[in-house]
Amino acid sequence: NAGVTQTPKFRILKIGQSMTLQCAQDMNHNYMYWYRQDPGMGLKLIYYSVGAGITDKGEVPNGYNVSRSTTEYFPLRLELAAPSQTSVYFCASRQPPGQGPGTYGYTFGSGTRLTVV
Amino acid sequence: AQSVTQLDSQVPVFEEAPVELRCNYSSSVSVYLFWYVQYPNQGLQLLLKYLSGSTLVKGINGFEAEFNKSQTSFHLRKPSVHISDTAEYFCAVSETNAGKSTFGDGTTLTVKP
Repeated sequence: NAGVTQTPKFRILKIGQSMTLQCAQDMNHNYMYWYRQDPGMGLKLIYYSVGAGITDKGEVPNGYNVSRSTTEYFPLRLELAAPSQTSVYFCASRQPPGQGPGTYGYTFGSGTRLTVV
Repeated sequence: AQSVTQLDSQVPVFEEAPVELRCNYSSSVSVYLFWYVQYPNQGLQLLLKYLSGSTLVKGINGFEAEFNKSQTSFHLRKPSVHISDTAEYFCAVSETNAGKSTFGDGTTLTVKP
């Protein structure tokens, strides 16, 4: 049972470059999320999705884009990378509330550490 | 809107001592509450959750938390900590009719020998 898989684990980007952070889950979860974690700042929600074809902005969406064509995949796209996007990115998933007691908490991936120089 | 405040950014404690990590939340509607633990260079994993019912909830690794609605708090406790409990702990709140959680800034628990 793989859970939530994120790739790559580490990446260094130059200012202005673009990249896609990959996220896949094999639990058939409808809800998926992208958070960024800055030192001492907790997790901030970038984008989330409640199902294939449906996405919405979180607290800090600027500079990012997402798509959700299938239940399993939820890639995060960075366009024109900036030093302010240096962070650790976490993908998470869960089932909607009400679909069983084990579904309320998030399952997290192991993260992607991104440095923009 | 919902928010979470973790009152201590760092908590140092000696091995086998008790510990309490404090969390207050703000929301205008009913909420679910969570504690997550993050070990170095890893993702977050669910420690315990409060959905409804008994205000004292037990989680993995001997941790427990008490939901106090009047004080809007959800403090995490362990009666005797181990070196292996050294980690970052995050409190999170989710409104019952919403799909996303808001996280606190985290508390670093350091257990000393």
